[in-house]
Amino acid sequence: AQKVTQAQTEISVVEKEDVTLDCVYETRDTTYYLFWYKQPPSGELVFLIRRNSFDEQNEISGRYSWNFQKSTSSFNFTITASQVVDSAVYFCALSEFGPGGSEKLVFGKGTKLTVNP
Amino acid sequence: NAGVTQTPKFRVLKTGQSMTLLCAQDMNHEYMYWYRQDPGMGLRLIHYSVGEGTTAKGEVPDGYNVSRLKKQNFLLGLESAAPSQTSVYFCASSAKTPGSSSFPDTQYFGPGTRLTVL
Repeated sequence: AQKVTQAQTEISVVEKEDVTLDCVYETRDTTYYLFWYKQPPSGELVFLIRRNSFDEQNEISGRYSWNFQKSTSSFNFTITASQVVDSAVYFCALSEFGPGGSEKLVFGKGTKLTVNP
Repeated sequence: NAGVTQTPKFRVLKTGQSMTLLCAQDMNHEYMYWYRQDPGMGLRLIHYSVGEGTTAKGEVPDGYNVSRLKKQNFLLGLESAAPSQTSVYFCASSAKTPGSSSFPDTQYFGPGTRLTVL
């Protein structure tokens, strides 16, 4: 069965520090997708990135970057020069495909990031 | 374009009462999903639908029923609420990517419904 482990339950940093959120996954599928979602204190879930298992290129979007390593089954997320607005719970998720082309997302338990001024 | 909306935003029920949560999407998405979020548990899939008129069970379906009579709506029902169903409920939808071996596209989530069962 699919499994996503986010070993860091809570992380606290000071503004402008870089921070990396770890995500390790388990799957028997050869094709799968990995995701990161952000849940700010307001509660909504904000999509950040979706990565195909065949694409191991690292991705950078502004202060955000993602490191996908199939060899270690990891999909880590780094925030550079963190800001107070980055404070949120971050979820890593793995796709699990089912009947009819449906996609179930298996979520990690989340990492709560607090960025202090 | 409102995306995914959920009604209501908050609700308090007494044990044994019933209610229906409504999810609506205006993106013409094929797939719709209901998740629940509990502290320290991440999100877990309750039921999902791959198209109008079809539904299927997810990871934690017991105590819930769903219906998808219209493509844009996905209803989650609690027939006899229990305190264990106190949770935040999220609806999501995704498109079907074109192609013969297509996979669902990214899931986009609604704002959530906070339900408390006393």
